[in-house]
Amino acid sequence: DTEVTQTPKHLVMGMTNKKSLKCEQHMGHRAMYWYKQKAKKPPELMFVYSYEKLSINESVPSRFSPECPNSSLLNLHLHALQPEDSALYLCASSQGLRGVWDIQYFGAGTRLSVL
Amino acid sequence: SQQGEEDPQALSIQEGENATMNCSYKTSINNLQWYRQNSGRGLVHLILIRSNEREKHSGRLRVTLDTSKKSSSLLITASRAADTASYFCATDAWEGGSEKLVFGKGTKLTVNP
Repeated sequence: DTEVTQTPKHLVMGMTNKKSLKCEQHMGHRAMYWYKQKAKKPPELMFVYSYEKLSINESVPSRFSPECPNSSLLNLHLHALQPEDSALYLCASSQGLRGVWDIQYFGAGTRLSVL
Repeated sequence: SQQGEEDPQALSIQEGENATMNCSYKTSINNLQWYRQNSGRGLVHLILIRSNEREKHSGRLRVTLDTSKKSSSLLITASRAADTASYFCATDAWEGGSEKLVFGKGTKLTVNP
Protein backbone atom coordinates (compact mmCIF):
# COMPACT_ATOMS: atom_id res chain seq x y z
CA ASP A 1 0.00 0.00 0.00
CA THR A 2 1.73 3.16 -1.21
CA GLU A 3 -1.22 5.41 -0.67
CA VAL A 4 -1.67 8.59 1.30
CA THR A 5 -5.36 9.25 1.87
CA GLN A 6 -6.70 12.73 2.45
CA THR A 7 -10.23 13.64 3.52
CA PRO A 8 -12.29 15.46 2.62
CA LYS A 9 -11.54 15.97 -1.08
CA HIS A 10 -13.38 19.29 -1.12
CA LEU A 11 -14.24 21.66 1.71
CA VAL A 12 -16.12 24.94 1.71
CA MET A 13 -16.09 26.89 4.94
CA GLY A 14 -16.98 30.29 6.26
CA MET A 15 -14.49 32.51 8.01
CA THR A 16 -15.97 31.70 11.42
CA ASN A 17 -16.05 27.92 10.99
CA LYS A 18 -13.79 25.33 12.54
CA LYS A 19 -12.91 22.36 10.38
CA SER A 20 -10.22 19.73 10.15
CA LEU A 21 -8.32 18.10 7.29
CA LYS A 22 -7.22 14.52 7.76
CA CYS A 23 -4.38 12.53 6.30
CA GLU A 24 -3.58 8.85 6.75
CA GLN A 25 -0.81 6.55 5.57
CA HIS A 26 -0.05 2.91 6.31
CA MET A 27 3.40 2.67 4.81
CA GLY A 28 5.16 2.85 8.18
CA HIS A 29 6.51 6.28 7.31
CA ARG A 30 7.74 8.37 10.22
CA ALA A 31 7.75 11.80 8.56
CA MET A 32 4.58 13.58 7.49
CA TYR A 33 4.13 16.95 5.82
CA TRP A 34 1.50 19.59 5.11
CA TYR A 35 1.85 21.71 1.99
CA LYS A 36 -0.28 24.55 0.66
CA GLN A 37 -0.57 25.02 -3.09
CA LYS A 38 -2.19 27.97 -4.81
CA ALA A 39 -3.28 27.71 -8.43
CA LYS A 40 -0.39 27.55 -10.92
CA LYS A 41 2.16 27.71 -8.09
CA PRO A 42 4.44 25.07 -6.56
CA PRO A 43 3.61 23.45 -3.22
CA GLU A 44 4.79 25.47 -0.23
CA LEU A 45 5.81 23.64 2.92
CA MET A 46 3.76 24.43 6.02
CA PHE A 47 4.64 21.81 8.66
CA VAL A 48 6.79 18.72 9.07
CA TYR A 49 6.31 16.03 11.69
CA SER A 50 9.15 13.65 12.33
CA TYR A 51 8.47 10.68 14.60
CA GLU A 52 5.23 12.36 15.69
CA LYS A 53 7.00 15.52 16.80
CA LEU A 54 6.67 18.86 15.04
CA SER A 55 10.07 19.50 13.52
CA ILE A 56 9.37 22.32 11.07
CA ASN A 57 6.79 25.10 11.27
CA GLU A 58 7.17 27.48 8.39
CA SER A 59 5.85 30.47 10.33
CA VAL A 60 2.32 29.48 9.46
CA PRO A 61 -0.45 31.64 11.01
CA SER A 62 -1.95 30.19 14.18
CA ARG A 63 -5.32 29.77 12.47
CA PHE A 64 -3.71 26.60 11.07
CA SER A 65 -3.01 24.06 13.82
CA PRO A 66 -1.38 20.72 12.98
CA GLU A 67 -1.71 17.57 15.03
CA CYS A 68 -0.09 14.16 14.73
CA PRO A 69 -2.07 11.75 16.95
CA ASN A 70 0.04 8.76 15.90
CA SER A 71 2.53 7.71 13.25
CA SER A 72 -0.20 7.02 10.67
CA LEU A 73 -2.37 10.09 11.09
CA LEU A 74 -1.91 13.79 10.49
CA ASN A 75 -4.56 16.43 11.01
CA LEU A 76 -4.72 20.10 10.14
CA HIS A 77 -7.21 22.05 12.24
CA LEU A 78 -8.59 25.18 10.66
CA HIS A 79 -10.15 28.11 12.49
CA ALA A 80 -11.09 31.65 11.47
CA LEU A 81 -9.57 31.31 8.02
CA GLN A 82 -9.37 34.09 5.48
CA PRO A 83 -10.43 33.94 1.82
CA GLU A 84 -6.75 34.05 0.80
CA ASP A 85 -6.32 30.69 2.56
CA SER A 86 -8.32 29.06 -0.24
CA ALA A 87 -5.96 26.57 -1.87
CA LEU A 88 -5.17 22.90 -2.41
CA TYR A 89 -3.79 21.42 0.81
CA LEU A 90 -1.50 18.47 0.25
CA CYS A 91 -0.34 15.91 2.75
CA ALA A 92 2.78 13.86 2.14
CA SER A 93 4.75 11.22 3.97
CA SER A 94 8.23 9.79 3.73
CA GLN A 95 10.27 7.13 5.48
CA GLY A 96 11.79 9.78 7.70
CA LEU A 97 15.19 8.14 7.78
CA ARG A 98 17.08 10.38 5.37
CA GLY A 99 15.50 13.81 5.66
CA VAL A 100 15.46 15.61 2.33
CA TRP A 101 16.88 12.51 0.63
CA ASP A 102 13.58 10.77 1.26
CA ILE A 103 11.07 10.34 -1.52
CA GLN A 104 7.81 11.97 -0.54
CA TYR A 105 4.47 10.32 -1.25
CA PHE A 106 1.59 12.71 -1.69
CA GLY A 107 -2.13 12.45 -1.15
CA ALA A 108 -4.59 13.77 -3.71
CA GLY A 109 -5.20 16.88 -1.64
CA THR A 110 -8.11 18.76 -0.13
CA ARG A 111 -9.46 21.62 -2.21
CA LEU A 112 -10.39 24.29 0.35
CA SER A 113 -12.58 27.30 -0.38
CA VAL A 114 -13.04 29.96 2.30
CA LEU A 115 -16.04 32.21 1.80
CA SER B 1 11.79 31.52 -1.24
CA GLN B 2 12.42 29.71 -4.51
CA GLN B 3 15.38 27.38 -4.94
CA GLY B 4 14.56 25.84 -8.30
CA GLU B 5 13.12 27.49 -11.36
CA GLU B 6 11.91 25.54 -14.38
CA ASP B 7 11.73 26.58 -17.97
CA PRO B 8 9.80 26.70 -20.09
CA GLN B 9 6.78 27.55 -17.95
CA ALA B 10 4.56 25.81 -20.48
CA LEU B 11 5.28 23.35 -23.27
CA SER B 12 2.90 21.93 -25.86
CA ILE B 13 3.95 19.04 -28.10
CA GLN B 14 2.47 16.27 -30.24
CA GLU B 15 2.27 12.69 -29.08
CA GLY B 16 5.43 10.81 -29.96
CA GLU B 17 7.68 13.86 -29.69
CA ASN B 18 10.26 14.32 -26.97
CA ALA B 19 9.77 16.89 -24.20
CA THR B 20 12.64 18.62 -22.44
CA MET B 21 12.23 20.68 -19.28
CA ASN B 22 14.97 22.53 -17.49
CA CYS B 23 15.50 23.44 -13.86
CA SER B 24 17.97 25.95 -12.49
CA TYR B 25 18.72 26.40 -8.81
CA LYS B 26 20.63 28.89 -6.74
CA THR B 27 22.63 27.18 -4.00
CA SER B 28 24.62 23.95 -3.84
CA ILE B 29 22.55 20.81 -3.39
CA ASN B 30 22.88 17.23 -2.21
CA ASN B 31 20.20 15.87 -4.50
CA LEU B 32 17.56 16.97 -6.97
CA GLN B 33 14.20 15.31 -7.47
CA TRP B 34 11.57 15.57 -10.18
CA TYR B 35 7.86 15.23 -9.45
CA ARG B 36 4.80 15.15 -11.71
CA GLN B 37 1.40 16.57 -10.83
CA ASN B 38 -1.74 15.85 -12.79
CA SER B 39 -4.22 18.72 -12.73
CA GLY B 40 -5.47 19.39 -9.20
CA ARG B 41 -4.01 16.16 -7.83
CA GLY B 42 -1.11 15.16 -5.61
CA LEU B 43 2.49 14.98 -6.74
CA VAL B 44 4.13 11.76 -7.85
CA HIS B 45 7.86 11.22 -7.48
CA LEU B 46 9.63 10.47 -10.76
CA ILE B 47 13.35 10.36 -10.15
CA LEU B 48 16.08 11.44 -7.72
CA ILE B 49 19.58 12.32 -8.86
CA ARG B 50 22.44 12.82 -6.43
CA SER B 51 24.86 15.70 -6.69
CA ASN B 52 27.68 13.31 -7.70
CA GLU B 53 25.65 11.84 -10.56
CA ARG B 54 25.48 13.37 -14.03
CA GLU B 55 22.73 11.37 -15.65
CA LYS B 56 19.99 8.97 -14.64
CA HIS B 57 17.39 6.99 -16.58
CA SER B 58 14.04 5.56 -15.63
CA GLY B 59 11.93 4.12 -18.43
CA ARG B 60 11.21 6.97 -20.86
CA LEU B 61 12.69 9.53 -18.48
CA ARG B 62 16.24 10.85 -18.64
CA VAL B 63 17.51 13.33 -16.09
CA THR B 64 20.81 15.18 -16.28
CA LEU B 65 22.48 17.28 -13.62
CA ASP B 66 25.18 19.87 -14.14
CA THR B 67 26.26 21.14 -10.73
CA SER B 68 28.72 23.61 -12.26
CA LYS B 69 25.83 25.34 -14.00
CA LYS B 70 23.40 24.62 -11.17
CA SER B 71 20.93 23.14 -13.61
CA SER B 72 19.09 19.93 -14.39
CA SER B 73 17.00 18.76 -17.31
CA LEU B 74 14.21 16.22 -17.58
CA LEU B 75 13.71 14.54 -20.95
CA ILE B 76 10.57 12.53 -21.65
CA THR B 77 10.97 10.49 -24.82
CA ALA B 78 8.14 9.33 -27.09
CA SER B 79 5.60 11.34 -25.16
CA ARG B 80 2.02 10.18 -24.65
CA ALA B 81 -1.18 12.08 -23.95
CA ALA B 82 -1.05 10.62 -20.43
CA ASP B 83 2.20 12.56 -19.82
CA THR B 84 0.15 15.77 -19.78
CA ALA B 85 0.85 17.23 -16.34
CA SER B 86 2.92 19.80 -14.48
CA TYR B 87 6.50 18.83 -13.72
CA PHE B 88 8.40 20.22 -10.74
CA CYS B 89 12.01 19.96 -9.76
CA ALA B 90 12.72 19.93 -6.04
CA THR B 91 16.00 20.54 -4.30
CA ASP B 92 17.21 20.35 -0.74
CA ALA B 93 17.77 23.77 0.75
CA TRP B 94 18.69 25.21 4.11
CA GLU B 95 16.16 27.82 5.08
CA GLY B 96 15.31 29.20 8.47
CA GLY B 97 17.68 26.78 10.20
CA SER B 98 16.08 23.69 8.71
CA GLU B 99 16.87 21.53 5.71
CA LYS B 100 13.83 21.03 3.54
CA LEU B 101 12.68 20.16 0.04
CA VAL B 102 11.87 23.24 -2.00
CA PHE B 103 9.91 23.01 -5.24
CA GLY B 104 10.51 25.04 -8.37
CA LYS B 105 7.76 26.89 -10.22
CA GLY B 106 7.05 23.98 -12.55
CA THR B 107 6.59 23.34 -16.26
CA LYS B 108 3.10 22.64 -17.55
CA LEU B 109 3.37 20.03 -20.29
CA THR B 110 0.54 19.38 -22.74
CA VAL B 111 0.85 16.38 -25.05
CA ASN B 112 -1.67 16.57 -27.87
CA PRO B 113 -2.95 13.27 -29.31
